[in-house]
Amino acid sequence: SQTIHQWPATLVQPVGSPLSLECTVEGTSNPNLYWYRQAAGRGLQLLFYSVGIGQISSEVPQNLSASRPQDRQFILSSKKLLLSDSGFYLCAWGLAGGRSDTQYFGPGTRLTVL
Amino acid sequence: GQQVMQIPQYQHVQEGEDFTTYCNSSTTLSNIQWYKQRPGGHPVFLIQLVKSGEVKKQKRLTFQFGEAKKNSSLHITATQTTDVGTYFCAPYGYSGAGSYQLTFGKGTKLSVIP
Repeated sequence: SQTIHQWPATLVQPVGSPLSLECTVEGTSNPNLYWYRQAAGRGLQLLFYSVGIGQISSEVPQNLSASRPQDRQFILSSKKLLLSDSGFYLCAWGLAGGRSDTQYFGPGTRLTVL
Repeated sequence: GQQVMQIPQYQHVQEGEDFTTYCNSSTTLSNIQWYKQRPGGHPVFLIQLVKSGEVKKQKRLTFQFGEAKKNSSLHITATQTTDVGTYFCAPYGYSGAGSYQLTFGKGTKLSVIP
């Protein structure tokens, strides 16, 4: 069966510090991968998605970036965090090539920028 | 691009009462999915609707897809405290940026008063 991991679970970082969040998927090959951000009490904002290694599409221009160095690894990064980067970051995977694109979410990382 | 509106944003019900959330899109959809996010948790896939006028049931939950495939609803009969959470609709359709994507609504946060 497929599983998706995210770490760390929680993170407190000062403004201006770098960020690296990691997501890995097991039990499937060539998945579509997604990064979402959810501000407190708000909906899901799609940040990045990837259909393959090295292929990243950005939905929202900001100080975040994403990379996919391996088939089942997706990394979210920032060189300098802003206060507005606080939120709940969710990684999700979906089957490649499907029209329905059902997504399966990881447990998320709660980021607080102080 | 694809726009989706979900109403209401919040709903407080007495345990045993019914609950309905609505999702409206500005464009015709290929399909629509529903997700549930428990407090402190991550979104979990509930169901997918594909056909015009489709109705699906999961125990006390009834999902409907409009005839024009532009709207959908989730109805919960006789709510229980285990129904607490945020319900998201996620239409799948043309994003306007050269691709088909899943777009999450802002969600309806359901509170159930015992």
